[in-house]
Amino acid sequence: AQKITQTQPGMFVQEKEAVTLDCTYDTSDPSYGLFWYKQPSSGEMIFLIYQGSYDQQNATEGRYSLNFQKARKSANLVISASQLGDSAMYFCAMRGVNTNAGKSTFGDGTTLTVKP
Amino acid sequence: DTEVTQTPKHLVMGMTNKKSLKCEQHMGHRAMYWYKQKAKKPPELMFVYSYEKLSINESVPSRFSPECPNSSLLNLHLHALQPEDSALYLCASSQDIQRNYNEQFFGPGTRLTVL
Repeated sequence: AQKITQTQPGMFVQEKEAVTLDCTYDTSDPSYGLFWYKQPSSGEMIFLIYQGSYDQQNATEGRYSLNFQKARKSANLVISASQLGDSAMYFCAMRGVNTNAGKSTFGDGTTLTVKP
Repeated sequence: DTEVTQTPKHLVMGMTNKKSLKCEQHMGHRAMYWYKQKAKKPPELMFVYSYEKLSINESVPSRFSPECPNSSLLNLHLHALQPEDSALYLCASSQDIQRNYNEQFFGPGTRLTVL
């Protein structure tokens, strides 16, 4: 079985500062992918960044980077230079191949509020 | 075109009504998904279609009936719903279900209210 844990229900950050959203995972699948999605109040889920279990380097996409620590089973999202538009709910998700093809496991989410 | 479209955006229906949600993508993806999402909760997987065949049904009640007429289109037929079925219904697509690096592209969702 797969499990994603996001321990921060809500986070606040000052505009232009960096923020880290925590995500830990558990899986028996030797090959898996980790994803972060952003969901503004409008409802649409927006893909942000992906990290593969065999990737040696941490993924980066613009202001988003993923701090992947495989031994600790953590995949934290770092948002640099926060903007007001970053205020949203953020979900960490996992997809395996061997045991759960087609299924994504989502964490409970973290609501991020950026203060001006 | 990297967009998943969903219609309608909002839907209000009575418990005896029959309605359908529609989802479309033109990215050539061969996997399509339906999720149900309650407020402040993660999306819950309902159905997965792979190459136009139903691959996963997460024990969804029969009052929800999915249909995949072709590789670009996914419908969710609704009949005799309950008030607890009120939620945001999200459609998503990905290249396929075999590779774990395929991100899902989500549509904007349909906000459903059952009276």
